[in-house]
Amino acid sequence: EVQLVESGGGLVKPGGSLRLSCAASGFNFSRYMMNWVRQAPGKGLEWVSCISSSSSYIYYAASLKGRFTISRDNAKNSLYLQMNSLRADDTAVYYCARDDFGSGIDYWGQGTLVSVSS
Amino acid sequence: QAGLTQPPSVSKGLRQTATLTCTGNSNNVGNRGATWLQQYQGHPPKLLSYRNNNRPSGISERFSASRSGNTASLTITGLQPEDEADYYCSAWDSSLSAWVFGGGTKLTVL
Repeated sequence: EVQLVESGGGLVKPGGSLRLSCAASGFNFSRYMMNWVRQAPGKGLEWVSCISSSSSYIYYAASLKGRFTISRDNAKNSLYLQMNSLRADDTAVYYCARDDFGSGIDYWGQGTLVSVSS
Repeated sequence: QAGLTQPPSVSKGLRQTATLTCTGNSNNVGNRGATWLQQYQGHPPKLLSYRNNNRPSGISERFSASRSGNTASLTITGLQPEDEADYYCSAWDSSLSAWVFGGGTKLTVL
């Protein structure tokens, strides 16, 4: 069974940093592109970033303007998102999600809540 | 970044058919199609159909996806109370090198 478990969310002050982690199991993690997708309270889904299986290709949403960094450790079956210079509008549930070779984002974690507030 | 366009809400009666639409452009929906996701309040999204309109294992045949040009559609037949949820479309945008999402459609089953 595919499982994606996010951790690392919490309350942070504006301008602060946070590192999210996603532990993957139940599939060959090293073969799949992975994504981070976020959802602000009461709002729709917003794609954040994706990373190819070997980290050769990395893409970000233009709106992030270089504040976030995605990475992965295939030996640990883990995906990460380093978030810097956090703002109030970064407040959201952050989902780790598997990309089925471009066919679609097929598995989603339960999400971790990031709240940015003074 | 540019998103996909979905109607905010659709209401249909029990056992009726609902068709949800998603409009993009030639760089995303018109390029290789869209995927559809279902989300209940407080839960993560669940994939209903891939970009090639195929359903993942375990998804009911009542859900079917299609595409015409830059518009993708999700048709839900025999509406049931449990179909009341938010539905999102998404597509890979080749010009942005990014997944783009629609704003979501809230489906109400009367």
